[in-house]
Amino acid sequence: GAVVSQHPSWVICKSGTSVKIECRSLDFQATTMFWYRQFPKQSLMLMATSNEGSKATYEQGVEKDKFLINHASLTLSTLTVTSAHPEDSSFYICSAWLASYNEQFFGPGTRLTVL
Amino acid sequence: QQQVKQSPQSLIVQKGGISIINCAYENTAFDYFPWYQQFPGKGPALLIAIRPDVSEKKEGRFTISFNKSAKQFSLHIMDSQPGDSATYFCAASGLDAGNMLTFGGGTRLMVKP
Repeated sequence: GAVVSQHPSWVICKSGTSVKIECRSLDFQATTMFWYRQFPKQSLMLMATSNEGSKATYEQGVEKDKFLINHASLTLSTLTVTSAHPEDSSFYICSAWLASYNEQFFGPGTRLTVL
Repeated sequence: QQQVKQSPQSLIVQKGGISIINCAYENTAFDYFPWYQQFPGKGPALLIAIRPDVSEKKEGRFTISFNKSAKQFSLHIMDSQPGDSATYFCAASGLDAGNMLTFGGGTRLMVKP
């Protein structure tokens, strides 16, 4: 149990376009999900905390108008990278909080490449 | 300000040897200390975790040692295998931080056959 999926696993897009990444908790409900960004050979950096039914909380330095987060249900959070640019190319990872385990479970990540 | 410092950045160990990775934290409110293993192109996977009420936790070949007074914790991988070659991240979280994880910088482990 406690499986988190992400879709797509990789995406290539042109500069200026928008890309949506989905994060789903497959076998549990998650009131809180987290979005991370990871550049090559670096650690995970928290971008935002996504709470079901309310606005996401963004970390300092993360543009909320560029990285739109929607947590419309207890099993789905989406991250939309708007007007993507090459510097947005990164590995985006989500996690879902399982309260009964008091633990975050991570998705497999989405590789975004902006040309 | 990096709240969790991890060392070394990279580590090479012979097969069968012991891999040791260390982490130090600053926030005394942290009360959960997990270690994650990440293979290239994959998301991190929880390896083992400890809470401050114990000084050591062992699961198979993996052991966490925790020193609350020194605000340090470490991961020991016994009998290291080539399949253990991956990047390892320590992390810390606390209720006062909304259970958000603060990650260390990561350690790239290579186990030579």
